[in-house]
Amino acid sequence: GAGVSQSPSNKVTEKGKDVELRCDPISGHTALYWYRQSLGQGLEFLIYFQGNSAPDKSGLPSDRFSAERTGGSVSTLTIQRTQQEDSAVYLCASSFPGQPQHFGDGTRLSIL
Amino acid sequence: GDSVTQMEGPVTLSEEACLTINCTYTATGYPSLFWYVQYPGEGLQLLLKATKADDKGSNKGFEATYRKETTSFHLEKGSVQVSDSAVYFCALWSSQAGTALIFGKGTTLSVSS
Repeated sequence: GAGVSQSPSNKVTEKGKDVELRCDPISGHTALYWYRQSLGQGLEFLIYFQGNSAPDKSGLPSDRFSAERTGGSVSTLTIQRTQQEDSAVYLCASSFPGQPQHFGDGTRLSIL
Repeated sequence: GDSVTQMEGPVTLSEEACLTINCTYTATGYPSLFWYVQYPGEGLQLLLKATKADDKGSNKGFEATYRKETTSFHLEKGSVQVSDSAVYFCALWSSQAGTALIFGKGTTLSVSS
């Protein structure tokens, strides 16, 4: 069946612009996670959704980062006024609660 | 807080060599343990898991045993192939630590023919 789908696969933008990253989880998975993977920092947790609510936003690095999930399915991660340090691969994962997480291929974000 | 420590790479091996990637963890409670693999340009794939002490996870010739007494979950393979070249991440999940996986920093494996 279809896995976790993320778009775009690559995004290059200028510093100060806003970007939106999309995640389509595996059908039926109620839990959805965003992580950031950057050189030297490894994999960092950003935010967790259960259904449409986000009980754990503890990993969002600043108020420039926000995320939403609608219909218990698609999620969008938005970064406002991008900075060069936001350059990274943004990974989305989904799962049934308490079960292993399945990851998408990520969005590689480059801020010029 | 909970954490995962894995050996730094890169690990460079010849085909058919034995592989061990060390992973140790610190956790409250009884976490589940995972190995994920990331091939170039791809996302993370679950390689194997173990949910309680003395469980052995195995897949594709890889195996790892959950050792509570040494808080370890070392990844092993008896004979590596060129196609095993990838980055390997050890991770834990604990309901007491929150909802996210906690990852080690990853170990790059390069296998040459």
